[in-house]
Amino acid sequence: DQQVKQNSPSLSVQEGRISILNCDYTNSMFDYFLWYKKYPAEGPTFLISISSIKDKNEDGRFTVFLNKSAKHLSLHIVPSQPGDSAVYFCAASAWGGADGLTFGKGTHLIIQP
Amino acid sequence: DAGVIQSPRHEVTEMGQEVTLRCKPISGHDYLFWYRQTMMRGLELLIYFNNNVPIDDSGMPEDRFSAKMPNASFSTLKIQPSEPRDSAVYFCASSSDRGGNGYTFGSGTRLTVV
Repeated sequence: DQQVKQNSPSLSVQEGRISILNCDYTNSMFDYFLWYKKYPAEGPTFLISISSIKDKNEDGRFTVFLNKSAKHLSLHIVPSQPGDSAVYFCAASAWGGADGLTFGKGTHLIIQP
Repeated sequence: DAGVIQSPRHEVTEMGQEVTLRCKPISGHDYLFWYRQTMMRGLELLIYFNNNVPIDDSGMPEDRFSAKMPNASFSTLKIQPSEPRDSAVYFCASSSDRGGNGYTFGSGTRLTVV
C-alpha cells in the first residue's frame, strides 16, 4: 500500500509559467516532508523540505505547501526553467525518520520552451 | 567529498548468478540506506544501517537479498541467485540524520538480469 502518492506520472509546463506538483499521503504519523529532484542516470538530490509544524516553506523559486488536514502537499516552481525538467519525488518521514524516508513514485516534469 | 560512490554503474548478469553491488558513503555519515527503484513501485527502502549495524531490513524482498556493512566506509548488497524480476536501479544513500535533513544519494547501479 502506497503511503505517499504522486498521482500524476508526468506534467508538461511552458517555460516561465508555474509548475505545481502534488503529493498525497496516508500515514498520520508523518511529520517531515521532502522533495527530491532526479535527472536521468543520476541519484535523487534534495530540493526542499517542510516540517509538519509549518504550512509553507520557500527557497528561491521553490515553495512547498503543506495541508495537514487534507494530507496533501505541493511543490510550486515559479518561474519554470528548462533545467527544471526532471523527475520529482515526494518523500515523508515519521518518528524523526525511524523508518527512513518513504517515497512516492515520482512525477516527470517537462518544461517546454 | 566525492559524495556517495556506487559501483558498478551498470551490471548485466544471467539469471541464477550472484550479484554484488557496492557503496561507499560520505565520511562522517552514520546512516546508510539501500533503495531500489522500479517503474511499478518507485523508490523502495530495502534496508538501512546505523553505525554499521543493520536496523531495519523489512524491505528486503526475499532471502536471496543480503546486505552488509563491515565498516563505516563500505557496504554491499548481494543478490544470490539473481532473477529477472530483480532488474532495477539500486541506490545507496547516506545521511547524518535518519530522515530530518535528507539523504545524499549515489548515482545508482542499473541491474539487468537476463
